Amino acid sequence: EVQLVQTGGGLIRPGGSLRLSCAASGFSVSGYYMSWVRQAPGKGLEWVSVIYGGETTSYADSVKGRFTVSGDDSQNTLFLQMNSLGVEDTAVYYCARGIYYDYVFDIWGQGTMVTVSS
Amino acid sequence: DIQMTQSPSSLSASVGDRISFTCQASQDISTFLSWYQQKPGKAPKLLIYDAAILETGVPSRFSGSGSGTDFTLTISSLQPEDNGRYYCQQYDKVPITFGGGTEVDFK
Repeated sequence: EVQLVQTGGGLIRPGGSLRLSCAASGFSVSGYYMSWVRQAPGKGLEWVSVIYGGETTSYADSVKGRFTVSGDDSQNTLFLQMNSLGVEDTAVYYCARGIYYDYVFDIWGQGTMVTVSS
Repeated sequence: DIQMTQSPSSLSASVGDRISFTCQASQDISTFLSWYQQKPGKAPKLLIYDAAILETGVPSRFSGSGSGTDFTLTISSLQPEDNGRYYCQQYDKVPITFGGGTEVDFK
């Protein structure tokens, strides 16, 4: 079955760090544009970052310099390392596979909540 | 960044109704537009891409139209399982951006 299963997340103090994981099955993450999308409580969707070809990355301005996306082909897993977290980063984070034109998302992870609070 | 504006923000309708809602881009995005449905606590689900192409497995009562800056999603006969929030997304330029969504519920 083609799916993405996410782990990580939780409650973290402002200024802290957290790493999210997104394990793929049924396809290889290195063969697709893989994005992270977040959704603050009660809000809309915000694209965060993408990785493709295993190493080429791009980020939204709101997270540039603080978040790092990476992939591990041996585990077929995507990671999002989040540093210098602020309350504005509180959101459900989704990983997603880009299938058409690289940024149309057909497979999504179940989402993981990140709460930044003192 | 390209701004996406959806209207209305919410609408109430009855089962069997034909409903439409719109998405406007702040600049020409050709047909690089997709629509997603999201239910509470769940990940979004892809419905339509390229403004009008139905994703495999999506019921034919859903249809999309438009090009340039103005787009529409239509549900020809609203069904009980169609409640949720609908988002448009442009993928013409990075950063890709989403509209604020239209919430659909039942009268």
